[in-house]
Amino acid sequence: GAGVSQSPSNKVTEKGKDVELRCDPISGHTALYWYRQSLGQGLEFLIYFQGNSAPDKSGLPSDRFSAERTGGSVSTLTIQRTQQEDSAVYLCASSLGRIAQETQYFGPGTRLLVL
Amino acid sequence: GNSVTQMEGPVTLSEEAFLTINCTYTATGYPSLFWYVQYPGEGLQLLLKATKADDKGSNKGFEATYRKETTSFHLEKGSVQVSDSAVYFCALSDRYGGSQGNLIFGKGTKLSVKP
Repeated sequence: GAGVSQSPSNKVTEKGKDVELRCDPISGHTALYWYRQSLGQGLEFLIYFQGNSAPDKSGLPSDRFSAERTGGSVSTLTIQRTQQEDSAVYLCASSLGRIAQETQYFGPGTRLLVL
Repeated sequence: GNSVTQMEGPVTLSEEAFLTINCTYTATGYPSLFWYVQYPGEGLQLLLKATKADDKGSNKGFEATYRKETTSFHLEKGSVQVSDSAVYFCALSDRYGGSQGNLIFGKGTKLSVKP
C-alpha cells in the first residue's frame, strides 16, 4: 500500500518568506509526527498530532513554526518569516497510535533551503 | 531527560567484515528501542526494534539486544555487504510522560562498505 508522502521534495526560498510543507500519512494512522533533520542538531522532534489535535508541540523551535492537520489525515507545517537556520530536511512520520512500541513510518522528507 | 548516544562515524569496512555500532541510552521510564536506516537518497526506514529487556530485534542479518542492565542496544551484523552502506540511527521511545511515543534519535553513524 501507499506509504507516507511529502511535498514538495525540495524547496528553495528567500529569507523572510513563508513556506508550507505537506504530509500525507498512511491511511488509518491516527498518530502523525513532524521531525527535523539538520547537520548541526541531528534528528529532532517538532510536533505530534492525534487526529486533528496537537497535544504535544514541545519541539517547535519558535512561534514562527505552526502546523495543522485536517480530516485526521493531511498535515501542513508552516514556517513564517523563514531564517537561514531553518534550512533542514523536514520529515513526517505516521503510526497506528502514540505508544512507545509502535513503529513510525517516515516519508521521504522535504529538503528546505533558505537563502 | 531522555537521550541516545551512538558511536561517531564514519565507519568504513570491507565486504564480509563484522559490524558493531554501539548505542547507549538514558531514559526516565522504560523505553522501546529502535534502529532506523537511511540509504543514500532514501527516507528513514525501520531496521529493527525491541520493546522490552532482553528482547532481540533482527532483520536482514542485523541484530540488536535490549540490555537494561547496561542501557545499551548495540547493532551487529556478522558479514556486511556493499548494499549495507547507509546511515544508521539508534532511537528510543519512552512509554510514559507527556512525550511518550516521540522518537529520540542518536546522531547517526555513517557506514561505508568497500568491495
